[in-house]
Amino acid sequence: RKEVEQDPGPFNVPEGATVAFNCTYSNSASQSFFWYRQDCRKEPKLLMSVYSSGNEDGRFTAQLNRASQYISLLIRDSKLSDSATYLCVVNSRPQHGSGYALNFGKGTSLLVTP
Amino acid sequence: GAVVSQHPSWVICKSGTSVKIECRSLDFQATTMFWYRQFPKQSLMLMATSNEGSKATYEQGVEKDKFLINHASLTLSTLTVTSAHPEDSSFYICSAGPTGNIQYFGAGTRLSVL
Repeated sequence: RKEVEQDPGPFNVPEGATVAFNCTYSNSASQSFFWYRQDCRKEPKLLMSVYSSGNEDGRFTAQLNRASQYISLLIRDSKLSDSATYLCVVNSRPQHGSGYALNFGKGTSLLVTP
Repeated sequence: GAVVSQHPSWVICKSGTSVKIECRSLDFQATTMFWYRQFPKQSLMLMATSNEGSKATYEQGVEKDKFLINHASLTLSTLTVTSAHPEDSSFYICSAGPTGNIQYFGAGTRLSVL
């Protein structure tokens, strides 16, 4: 089973719509959780960290449910510039390494149309 | 935010040659850096953890003799793809972070082996 699983997408939504992405992770010992955004042929960029209490940054709201090992991202009032791939990312110990490294979901593609 | 610089951004080379990719943390020291690979329409996959002053640790299935990693200083890690073949063509990305928790990514290196 893959360590981080996301909605496969793609999501095509009109401008102004609200869209939600879901993600589950398998390692109950995971420490930190993030949503990254990756534009086509570019590196991922941190969108926001995710906390158990839930957190909001403008139009973006992230939630974490540790008991269910579930993470969500809600985008309100979608803009054309929100079109990208959204990566659910979990900070866990690498299989053969020390310290921590990021495990990525495959990403969910969002296309916001006029 | 923290800045990670990666160079070169794009490499085209003949089969059998070696390619070196550099990853630098510009405004913080990083005892640990991470190297990832991303094939088209796939998620980022951790290849190895680069440790300053000691050997890198590789994920299962990644050949350490093919992907040489050197982390000689607190701000520089290099990945050398030795005797590159067309199947090594991919998007290689490094990451580092001042605290090790949140990671910042280099811009990535797109490698095309002919």
